[in-house]
Amino acid sequence: GAVVSQHPSRVICKSGTSVKIECRSLDFQATTMFWYRQFPKKSLMLMATSNEGSKATYEQGVEKDKFLINHASLTLSTLTVTSAHPEDSSFYICSARVLQENQPQHFGDGTRLSIL
Amino acid sequence: GQNIDQPTEMTATEGAIVQINCTYQTSGFNGLFWYQQHAGEAPTFLSYNVLDGLEEKGRFSSFLSRSKGYSYLLLKELQMKDSASYLCAVMDSNYQLIWGAGTKLIIKP
Repeated sequence: GAVVSQHPSRVICKSGTSVKIECRSLDFQATTMFWYRQFPKKSLMLMATSNEGSKATYEQGVEKDKFLINHASLTLSTLTVTSAHPEDSSFYICSARVLQENQPQHFGDGTRLSIL
Repeated sequence: GQNIDQPTEMTATEGAIVQINCTYQTSGFNGLFWYQQHAGEAPTFLSYNVLDGLEEKGRFSSFLSRSKGYSYLLLKELQMKDSASYLCAVMDSNYQLIWGAGTKLIIKP
């Protein structure tokens, strides 16, 4: 159980393009989803917390107009990187958690984004 | 401030035992998680401790001492596939996960 699906797994696109990443909880209802970014050999950096039906909470330093998050249902959250630039190239990972806050987060497989 | 400390890198031999330590200072405590992350992949959940003591799950065990702000992950009968980074994460009073930088474990034959 507790499977999280993330698509696409890899994206290569030109600078200025907008990229949408989907995160789905396949066998449970995820009231809360999280979006992380990870640079090579670095730890996870939380970008935002997404609760179903409400606006996402962004971490300090993360531009909400650049990283648009939509959590429209209990099983789907999307992250759109708008007008992507080479510095946005990174490994983006989503995770999902059930209602109980002390339950573990289950991660998707991640999306490797490369902006040329 | 909130802080999670774990060694950057450790090396162990196939078939041996290794202990990865994690110390933490957080505003409140609602549990400690260990995750495994292979290079280029997303983390996978290993264990959760909220009470003091040892939790055993197959070859992996996790220990917690809340009074000392200390946990360790114990890996027995090491296999080459255990080469990965191991992330310690603490849930604070606001149920926010505070992540450690991870310990890269290298297994040698």
